[in-house]
Amino acid sequence: DTGVSQDPRHKITKRGQNVTFRCDPISEHNRLYWYRQTLGQGPEFLTYFQNEAQLEKSRLLSDRFSAERPKGSFSTLEIQRTEQGDSAMYLCAVGESYGYTFGSGTRLTVV
Amino acid sequence: GENVEQHPSTLSVQEGDSAVIKCTYSDSASNYFPWYKQELGKGPQLIIDIRSNVGEKKDQRIAVTLNKTAKHFSLHITETQPEDSAVYFCAAMLSGGYQKVTFGIGTKLQVIP
Repeated sequence: DTGVSQDPRHKITKRGQNVTFRCDPISEHNRLYWYRQTLGQGPEFLTYFQNEAQLEKSRLLSDRFSAERPKGSFSTLEIQRTEQGDSAMYLCAVGESYGYTFGSGTRLTVV
Repeated sequence: GENVEQHPSTLSVQEGDSAVIKCTYSDSASNYFPWYKQELGKGPQLIIDIRSNVGEKKDQRIAVTLNKTAKHFSLHITETQPEDSAVYFCAAMLSGGYQKVTFGIGTKLQVIP
């Protein structure tokens, strides 16, 4: 148990479909991050929330991607019209005093 | 923005030997350097970190060193064990503000029994 729950753990979807992932921190954290990790690479920053406000978005986050954190607790990441290039591990993390605690991620496969 | 380079990308060592992973960073304003271990199917887990006001930090078999002038930092694992086999990521962060962490590409460590 890492303190951050992500659901689902795995998702296989057909190209063009929409998918939504959820991140649930077990305890309250002001800062929440989404990262994407492709095979053989380190995690890459996607977006950051301070409470419910989305304060920074990476250029990696195209207009097909949207993230929300409506009550400053859980967060969702939606990908519309999925493409094969979206296949990756999507990691959610919460900010601690220093550094992050990551969830186990959602592995997305677009076929 | 920050750029973190990490090498080697793969490392094989005999059980009991030491392993060293090296990283460099580009933004001299970065002041916090965590190291993460990622096992198969799991998210990265913080194993040790170092702040820019410290040159070295040790925790049992793991140690990190930081050279701010050269913008280098390293992870040292002594007396390696098979359960140390994993992918290790170095990272750099500027504390304050968004505290966004920039990761290296990762090092796949294999400890051979």
